[in-house]
Amino acid sequence: AQTVTQSQPEMSVQEAETVTLSCTYDTSESDYYLFWYKQPPSRQMILVIRQEAYKQQNATENRFSVNFQKAAKSFSLKISDSQLGDAAMYFCALKSSGDKLTFGTGTRLAVRP
Amino acid sequence: DTGVSQDPRHKITKRGQNVTFRCDPISEHNRLYWYRQTLGQGPEFLTYFQNEAQLEKSRLLSDRFSAERPKGSFSTLEIQRTEQGDSAMYLCASSSPGTGTNYGYTFGSGTRLTVV
Repeated sequence: AQTVTQSQPEMSVQEAETVTLSCTYDTSESDYYLFWYKQPPSRQMILVIRQEAYKQQNATENRFSVNFQKAAKSFSLKISDSQLGDAAMYFCALKSSGDKLTFGTGTRLAVRP
Repeated sequence: DTGVSQDPRHKITKRGQNVTFRCDPISEHNRLYWYRQTLGQGPEFLTYFQNEAQLEKSRLLSDRFSAERPKGSFSTLEIQRTEQGDSAMYLCASSSPGTGTNYGYTFGSGTRLTVV
């Protein structure tokens, strides 16, 4: 069985500052993929960033980057230069065997103007 | 193509009634997924299709739930004899052929079901 744990139910960041959202996971597979999804209020979930487990280099997408620590099974998301539009629920997700995603419980991010 | 469409956006039903939701995936996507999301939780996998074949069903999907994808295009999710515990957001997603979930899904906006 695979599990994803997000231990921060809520986080808050000042506009233009940097925030890091935590995620730990567990899987017995050696080949897997990790994702961060953003779910704005009453809007659809969108993919923020993905990481292949076999790649040592951390993924980056503009202001979003990850810190992938494979041995520790940790996959944190860093948002730089936070913007008001970043306010949302953020979900960490894991795909290992099979064709389905296992999600964490989410972190609600508030951005203070 | 406007992405993954779900209909209706909201549904309120009385306990014991049957409800049906529809999902239209991105046209070139051959895989379609249903997830359920309850308040304060992440989405939980229900079932998925490759073309018209239903390849996997979660244990969460009781015999009151049935999903179909005739002709490999749109999909329907039916819940019979609804219970208050079925109240949730039902999310549909689709993914590209050849890559599956390795590149993530495209989600729809969901159908919010309230059973009263």
